[in-house]
Amino acid sequence: KAGVTQTPRYLIKTRGQQVTLSCSPISGHRSVSWYQQTPGQGLQFLFEYFSETQRNKGNFPGRFSGRQFSNSRSEMNVSTLELGDSALYLCASSLGGQGYNEQFFGPGTRLTVL
Amino acid sequence: GQQVMQIPQYQHVQEGEDFTTYCNSSTTLSNIQWYKQRPGGHPVFLIQLVKSGEVKKQKRLTFQFGEAKKNSSLHITATQTTDVGTYFCAGPTNAGKSTFGDGTTLTVKP
Repeated sequence: KAGVTQTPRYLIKTRGQQVTLSCSPISGHRSVSWYQQTPGQGLQFLFEYFSETQRNKGNFPGRFSGRQFSNSRSEMNVSTLELGDSALYLCASSLGGQGYNEQFFGPGTRLTVL
Repeated sequence: GQQVMQIPQYQHVQEGEDFTTYCNSSTTLSNIQWYKQRPGGHPVFLIQLVKSGEVKKQKRLTFQFGEAKKNSSLHITATQTTDVGTYFCAGPTNAGKSTFGDGTTLTVKP
């Protein structure tokens, strides 16, 4: 079974620009969660989507948004990029609920904001 | 809000020594999950504990869930260089989302 895929793997943007990251979950998984990881930091939860609906949301500003499509693929968008948005963005898929099921993480998208 | 704290933040050991990381939650957890992230990699699921006082073993790794279901530990016996990485615990909030601890980064000196 193919794992979680994320595109692109690396991205360089400048302040003020916007970016869209993509995540394809494992086939059959309906939950996709997004996390931000910065050097030396833990995993900061952004949001979770289940069956095209945002089910949970972390404490990030409105510049961070996401969506999920009917095939469970998910996208995350960050608008008006700031230097502090430079991070590894990870998505994770699970069968139904991130808190109750094993999460499978993708390789991440490393975003650098200049 | 619910917090999940891990200690220590860093641990440096000599190969062959044991290693333990501790996870503490401010609230009772329905379950706790452990993940390992190798340097440059992504978190990989290790195990999930559900029952009060549960102990599970995976080769040299021993996982425990506290009786009150508010704390957990991961113990590695006789560390090897392949054990290096950051170990995270994660517990669900009442809303069902995972709250990750900040992780314990293990380095092993050969």
